[in-house]
Amino acid sequence: QSVLTQPPSVSGAPGQRVTISCSGSSSNIGAGYDVHWYQQLPGTAPKLLIYGNTNRPSGVPDRFSGSKSGTSASLAISGLQAEDEADYFCQSCDSSLSALFGTGTKVTVL
Amino acid sequence: QLQLQESGPGLVKPSETLSLTCTVSGGSISSSSYYWGWIRQPPGKGLEWIGSMHYSGSTYHYNPSLKSRVAISVDTSKNQFSLRLTSVTAADTAVYYCARRRIDYSSSWYEDCWGQGILVTVSS
Repeated sequence: QSVLTQPPSVSGAPGQRVTISCSGSSSNIGAGYDVHWYQQLPGTAPKLLIYGNTNRPSGVPDRFSGSKSGTSASLAISGLQAEDEADYFCQSCDSSLSALFGTGTKVTVL
Repeated sequence: QLQLQESGPGLVKPSETLSLTCTVSGGSISSSSYYWGWIRQPPGKGLEWIGSMHYSGSTYHYNPSLKSRVAISVDTSKNQFSLRLTSVTAADTAVYYCARRRIDYSSSWYEDCWGQGILVTVSS
């Protein structure tokens, strides 16, 4: 059972901005552990999208941005495109250094 | 370009042991900055982190909920690492991914490279 909570789904029209929240606790995100985000396109393996709360790996469009505050984090997608339709997962860890994944959010482009 | 590839049986009987191997190509598994681990995803569900191990074998981390049944090992001579999960049940049916776990600093751990995944079904 995941301890990082995400909304099950978000949707938006092409060109719009959507945000996905990731809610944790003082034992994980609030303890200072970084938050990372993964994108999983249908039928494929997850791909690293944001690392270290705000950083994009090479090749990830700057339409994707991450932030962290207190015990929560957010992923924003601006200028939503059809190719962004996917599942998104946040990740952090706790003092045991076990990784924790969020519950996942399905993004639908209307 | 680093690539990871899972291999192993796609069908395991209940109560038996699930064994998978991940072959790393395009880079060395013997790097101090990385751990090597496994994540699984039941059909239609979310991601569950299983565990990871440093190439030296000296440091490892396991999901507490699976710790009693899991073992990860690293074979540097073959540039491979493996997963063993004992006493499996239908609840262990999932796509299993191997991945490289990067450590940027003590509070930043993440999987930066993933295999394509392998579906393992537990059924008699």
